[in-house]
Amino acid sequence: GEDVEQSLFLSVREGDSSVINCTYTDSSSTYLYWYKQEPGAGLQLLTYIFSNMDMKQDQRLTVLLNKKDKHLSLRIADTQTGDSAIYFCAESIRNSGNTPLVFGKGTRLSVIA
Amino acid sequence: DGGITQSPKYLFRKEGQNVTLSCEQNLNHDAMYWYRQDPGQGLRLIYYSQIVNDFQKGDIAEGYSVSREKKESFPLTVTSAQKNPTAFYLCASSMGGRFRVQPQHFGDGTRLSIL
Repeated sequence: GEDVEQSLFLSVREGDSSVINCTYTDSSSTYLYWYKQEPGAGLQLLTYIFSNMDMKQDQRLTVLLNKKDKHLSLRIADTQTGDSAIYFCAESIRNSGNTPLVFGKGTRLSVIA
Repeated sequence: DGGITQSPKYLFRKEGQNVTLSCEQNLNHDAMYWYRQDPGQGLRLIYYSQIVNDFQKGDIAEGYSVSREKKESFPLTVTSAQKNPTAFYLCASSMGGRFRVQPQHFGDGTRLSIL
């Protein structure tokens, strides 16, 4: 079955690194995504990784994928107060077509100045 | 600018009333989706449409209806049969099936409340 799990809260100090973790259960996942949601807004796509990759880096963001453990993480370097938001992990379980994503419940990141 | 427009931003429903949430996209995307978001919950899929004139139920379709008469539009009707409609509703779209990566792009949401 499809299930995506995330811890609900994370608090970090400004300037530190944040690591948000996600586990998924469907081994047929093809792409895994990270979205950011600011208060009262929609979801903004941050980055995604194909399931045959181990790591992807994009400026301050680093995504690590451990396919054996079905574990995905998002590292935000030099975390700023503007990074305070809810972060959602999502998986796509088919290789093509417009199948809906399966989302975790989101991790609320609070950045302390 | 290309994007997804949801309207209205805030909507109030009276008991026994049907209300319709609008979602329009100018990204030329084939697929469109409706999600419901409750506090502390993730996104739950209501309906999705992969092509014009076709749509499928998601996990929580009861009490909702949709139509897809045009590629750019996917309105959601919250019927009186939906007993707990208070939530934040998000519309999304994604490209056609021949592309391997299918990131979904989201609108800014509609917050529905009961009067």
